[in-house]
Amino acid sequence: SQQGEEDPQALSIQEGENATMNCSYKTSINNLQWYRQNSGRGLVHLILIRSNEREKHSGRLRVTLDTSKKSSSLLITASRAADTASYFCATDEYGNKLVFGAGTILRVKS
Amino acid sequence: DVKVTQSSRYLVKRTGEKVFLECVQDMDHENMFWYRQDPGLGLRLIYFSYDVKMKEKGDIPEGYSVSREKKERFSLILESASTNQTSMYLCASRNVREQYFGPGTRLTVT
Repeated sequence: SQQGEEDPQALSIQEGENATMNCSYKTSINNLQWYRQNSGRGLVHLILIRSNEREKHSGRLRVTLDTSKKSSSLLITASRAADTASYFCATDEYGNKLVFGAGTILRVKS
Repeated sequence: DVKVTQSSRYLVKRTGEKVFLECVQDMDHENMFWYRQDPGLGLRLIYFSYDVKMKEKGDIPEGYSVSREKKERFSLILESASTNQTSMYLCASRNVREQYFGPGTRLTVT
């Protein structure tokens, strides 16, 4: 079953602009994580936000979590061409496994 | 540097063949996972294992089996490959915080 649903499915922006991706989920979670996947590669962990946190920063990444709305957003500031990738949210439902969404494809044009 | 390796990056098999996909991690993680990734569907969990010789079905286990004889190795087996099993297969292991993915195996069944 798919828990996280990303929005938009695809996003195209100019270098230097900010990119915002959203994720909605359905059940209670322990934490929510964001991953990045370059074309044809495995996923790489970006950031984790716990259910009792509202915002987290890591470099140019900013993640927010609203547990009342069961949603999260990932903001990438001052985007670069190298940020072109697919981005996935994943929810940890107090178990051993993560549940991934379908992802957002981000294209940053230089 | 943590590492998850998969035996092949690209694999072409014929319908009806038995296919083995191998995954090895060097982080002493107890939990390991097999996903398949298809366009528009995100990552779907096939099987996971939380200990040696232990396995749990994920969301789409039909047509697959797994083997975990040693902690570091988790194998995915396609007993009789079919064309609808053409996909990207991703292996992962995890600690309490995040999952680490292998580079993926792109399997084509003809």
